[in-house]
Amino acid sequence: AQTVTQSQPEMSVQEAETVTLSCTYDTSESDYYLFWYKQPPSRQMILVIRQEAYKQQNATENRFSVNFQKAAKSFSLKISDSQLGDAAMYFCAYRRNNNDMRFGAGTRLTVKP
Amino acid sequence: GAVVSQHPSRVICKSGTSVKIECRSLDFQATTMFWYRQFPKQSLMLMATSNEGSKATYEQGVEKDKFLINHASLTLSTLTVTSAHPEDSSFYICSARDPGERGNTIYFGEGSWLTVV
Repeated sequence: AQTVTQSQPEMSVQEAETVTLSCTYDTSESDYYLFWYKQPPSRQMILVIRQEAYKQQNATENRFSVNFQKAAKSFSLKISDSQLGDAAMYFCAYRRNNNDMRFGAGTRLTVKP
Repeated sequence: GAVVSQHPSRVICKSGTSVKIECRSLDFQATTMFWYRQFPKQSLMLMATSNEGSKATYEQGVEKDKFLINHASLTLSTLTVTSAHPEDSSFYICSARDPGERGNTIYFGEGSWLTVV
């Protein structure tokens, strides 16, 4: 079975600073997708960034980037120049092909002004 | 705008009654939809996979007779919580897979808060 582990229940960052959220996963598959979702208090799931396992290049989306280490099964999210609006729950997720998405326990990010 | 719509966003029902939550894909055909449940301060837990025209696939520990899922069309899946009890109160969220031009992307609905009193 695929499992996703987020070992940081809570993280805090100063506004304009950089923070990295950790995620590891367990799978025997070679072809899969990895995601980071942001969930603000509204509970809407907002896709932050997506990585295809077959791509060696780390995905980036503006201030958000990932460090994808396939051999180590690690998928961390780096948020640069943190903004107050970045405060939310962040979920790491795994999906294999057309199958469902499995989520980690989440990391609550606080941004201090 | 939203590509997956969920309704109602909030519902309160009496214990013992049934309540239906709808999940619609607005501009694509979703052969597969997923239903999740999220307790406060916890992660999303997959309840079942809804397949158009066939029976839903339930995760271990999810009562299929209590959480009825119907995916009668390519744009609509419904979750019916039957004989609801206070412990069923939770946030329910659906997602739908767009196999088309968006590259097999999954989109989430806005979620539904269920309170059973």
